[in-house]
Amino acid sequence: AQSVTQPDIHITVSEGASLELRCNYSYGATPYLFWYVQSPGQGLQLLLKYFSGDTLVQGIKGFEAEFKRSQSSFNLRKPSVHWSDAAEYFCAVAAYNTDKLIFGTGTRLQVFP
Amino acid sequence: NAGVMQNPRHLVRRRGQEARLRCSPMKGHSHVYWYRQLPEEGLKFMVYLQKENIIDESGMPKERFSAEFPKEGPSILRIQQVVRGDSAAYFCASSLGTGLNEQYFGPGTRLTVT
Repeated sequence: AQSVTQPDIHITVSEGASLELRCNYSYGATPYLFWYVQSPGQGLQLLLKYFSGDTLVQGIKGFEAEFKRSQSSFNLRKPSVHWSDAAEYFCAVAAYNTDKLIFGTGTRLQVFP
Repeated sequence: NAGVMQNPRHLVRRRGQEARLRCSPMKGHSHVYWYRQLPEEGLKFMVYLQKENIIDESGMPKERFSAEFPKEGPSILRIQQVVRGDSAAYFCASSLGTGLNEQYFGPGTRLTVT
C-alpha cells in the first residue's frame, strides 16, 4: 500500500538558516508527489509538485524539492528561511489512476529570529 | 476568482446530533474531495465526488457518514449521531479534473463534539 513518511515531527531553525524537510514514500510505480504548507487555522497551500521530468522542482516562496527514486525520497529545501515560513508542512503522494492524496503526518517548522 | 469555500468554519455539536459541512468548489471545478485531519495527524482521504456521483468513498467510515455533490449547490458532508471521536478538522478540496490537476483546499471546518 502507498504511504508517506515524514520522520521529523518538529524542526526548529534560526531565521536565515537553510532548511531541509524529509519525506519518504512507498509506491511501486512512478509517484506523483506534492508538498503542501498549512499555516495555523488555515487550509493547505500547494508549494510544489513532481509528476515527471526534471527531478529538481522549483516551487513558490523560494522552496525546491528533489525527487530521488533510488532513495524513495522527495525532500523539501529552502536556502534561507524567513520567520513567515513557520508553519506545518505536509508531503503527499497520489497514484496515477486515482485522485486521492495520501499525506504524511507533517513536520512543524518553528523559526527563531 | 473565489477559492474553495467551506462553511461553517467552526461547528460545535453535542453527542448524538447531526453535523452538516458544506463545500463550494472553485468556479469551474466539478471534482470535490473531502479529507479529515485528526489532532496531531496528517490529512486522511475520505471521499471523492463529481457532480451527482460518488467516485471513491474508500476512506469514509461505514456508518453515520455520507456525502453528496448535487447538480446545483455545494457538496455536503453529513455526519449523523456525532461522537467525540468525530472532532476534527474537515477539509474540502476541488479540482478541474483527474490526474495531473491540482487540488485546491478550502480553509476547513473545525468540528467539536461535546
